[in-house]
Amino acid sequence: GQSLEQPSEVTAVEGAIVQINCTYQTSGFYGLSWYQQHDGGAPTFLSYNALDGLEETGRFSSFLSRSDSYGYLLLQELQMKDSASYFCAVRASTGGGNKLTFGTGTQLKVEL
Amino acid sequence: NAGVTQTPKFQVLKTGQSMTLQCAQDMNHNSMYWYRQDPGMGLRLIYYSASEGTTDKGEVPNGYNVSRLNKREFSLRLESAAPSQTSVYFCASARGGDYGYTFGSGTRLTVV
Repeated sequence: GQSLEQPSEVTAVEGAIVQINCTYQTSGFYGLSWYQQHDGGAPTFLSYNALDGLEETGRFSSFLSRSDSYGYLLLQELQMKDSASYFCAVRASTGGGNKLTFGTGTQLKVEL
Repeated sequence: NAGVTQTPKFQVLKTGQSMTLQCAQDMNHNSMYWYRQDPGMGLRLIYYSASEGTTDKGEVPNGYNVSRLNKREFSLRLESAAPSQTSVYFCASARGGDYGYTFGSGTRLTVV
């Protein structure tokens, strides 16, 4: 099976940089995804890393180290609207169907 | 440009009642998924359909059944609802591979 660990809560100030870490254990690994979910809303896709290294999309970047079974989401120039829960998810190579196993989520609070 | 549409948005059931949650996507995606989300537990996969005509169990399938009616529609049925099935249910679809999931807006189900 798969398991993921991420911090339950992170607090940062507006304009700052915050990093949300994710470690995973899985039998077979295709890639690591990140999703954002605002309170009462649906998860929305942010990024996907299949290879080692950093992927940048605007203010958000995602990093993967396959050898360390570790990744992180980096949010720069934080804005109040970034207050949300962030989930990492692994796509495993076993079982097919492009299934994702999600972590329990990190609640990010952005303060003035 | 609807994406993934779920109905109903809210539902209250009595223990033992049955109901079907409907999900439809208009993005011509092959794969569809049903997840439940409970506080502190992230998203857990109930059932998925890798392609039209196939369905498979996920992590928490007990008490549920699914039907992939056609490429667009994937329904989730609770035959005899239990209070433990009180949750938020999300349907998602994906093109596959490195592409992320698109989630519906969710169904908030309470079983009393």
